[in-house]
Amino acid sequence: TQLLEQSPQFLSIQEGENLTVYCNSSSVFSSLQWYRQEPGEGPVLLVTVVTGGEVKKLKRLTFQFGDARKDSSLHITAAQPGDTGLYLCARNSGGSNYKLTFGKGTLLTVNP
Amino acid sequence: SAVISQKPSRDICQRGTSLTIQCQVDSQVTMMFWYRQQPGQSLTLIATANQGSEATYESGFVIDKFPISRPNLTFSTLTVSNMSPEDSSIYLCSVGMVPWEYVDTQYFGPGTRLTVL
Repeated sequence: TQLLEQSPQFLSIQEGENLTVYCNSSSVFSSLQWYRQEPGEGPVLLVTVVTGGEVKKLKRLTFQFGDARKDSSLHITAAQPGDTGLYLCARNSGGSNYKLTFGKGTLLTVNP
Repeated sequence: SAVISQKPSRDICQRGTSLTIQCQVDSQVTMMFWYRQQPGQSLTLIATANQGSEATYESGFVIDKFPISRPNLTFSTLTVSNMSPEDSSIYLCSVGMVPWEYVDTQYFGPGTRLTVL
């Protein structure tokens, strides 16, 4: 099993603050997906990163894929209460069966 | 992208009964998956639903407990059989290999929240 480690596990911040969450593995990813899950909902895809060193932006969210494709980060600028949720990273489990392995997630709470 | 619906959205069931969850996609997709998310936990893959053949189960999950059907490219069902309180979870359907998306990208349904008393 190729594990994904996410940190921090919990994060509680005030509205307007910046934050970064991390997703790491000891092995190389072919790609990595970031999802956000709100209470009572299914995970919603935010981004897929594929190329080492790649940076993608989605409004106030910036996603970076490490040069060695073993790690990724998600940076949120000026966090808002609507950013509250569980942030999950996921990678291909290996092989050609297109299964994903998920990290345990970072539970973010943005207080007004 | 793909739009996925699940029914029911939630249910409360008695111990020993069974519940069938339906997953419908708005387009034909190659891959469909079923996940379980226990309270406060991340997602665990139960099985890959294969069209016209038996599902492929992950370690720790068996067909007798979680029978799965996939009669076509847009629909699948998961049954949770002989339920116990330990089966209380959110059950999620996802689709993969969506046209015009990266091959590993998956889209998820809204989930079915199951409580077993």
